[in-house]
Amino acid sequence: DIQMTQSPSSLSASVGDRVTFTCRASQSIGTYLNWYQHKPGKAPKVLIYAASSLQSGVPSRFSGSASGTDFTLTISSLQPEDFATYYCQQSYSMPYSFGQGTKLEIK
Amino acid sequence: QLVQSGEEVKKPGESLRISCKASGFSFTTNWIGWVRQMPGKGLEWMVIINPVDSDTRYSPSCQGQVSVSVDKAINTAYLQWSRLRASDTAMYYCARQGSKGLAFDIWGQGTQVIVSS
Repeated sequence: DIQMTQSPSSLSASVGDRVTFTCRASQSIGTYLNWYQHKPGKAPKVLIYAASSLQSGVPSRFSGSASGTDFTLTISSLQPEDFATYYCQQSYSMPYSFGQGTKLEIK
Repeated sequence: QLVQSGEEVKKPGESLRISCKASGFSFTTNWIGWVRQMPGKGLEWMVIINPVDSDTRYSPSCQGQVSVSVDKAINTAYLQWSRLRASDTAMYYCARQGSKGLAFDIWGQGTQVIVSS
């Protein structure tokens, strides 16, 4: 099975900051990488699919990129509603595993 | 949308079936998956089922622990346990696997399952 490793496990930032989340796959997954935002008490929400494609309705401050087995999610300018936990997920080979998540907290 | 059944409180050893009803899209076009979030933990991909032919793929950790099914007549997917354990306590989400990147693009609201004696 493919293991997904996210770093850091938590991150503190302020409104207006630029933040980057990292996800590494244990083997090549092409661009079969998705990013989700999860807030307490809510269902997860897909932000980015296929490594760099923005899901419809998601603000353009979110972007994704890939380099080999390393993937990044960037928020260009943090907004108050962005504080949440972010997960990557590979959809290359079942089971379509998630990373362990990065919790974004207010500094 | 996907609408899940309500919170369940059960005892160890009991059986349980939770549901996920789809509306607003063709139920047989997309696979439906189940994702678990145990207390204080992250999201875990459990299992996915193709409503067309009930082809099912389990994660190794869930194989033999749960089963899934669908009823195409009422656009509903089910996740069930024959004998619950305390370690099954979690929030369970169903989600539609979309065609874009095979991401889960529509999610249910979640079903909280509490297993306690």
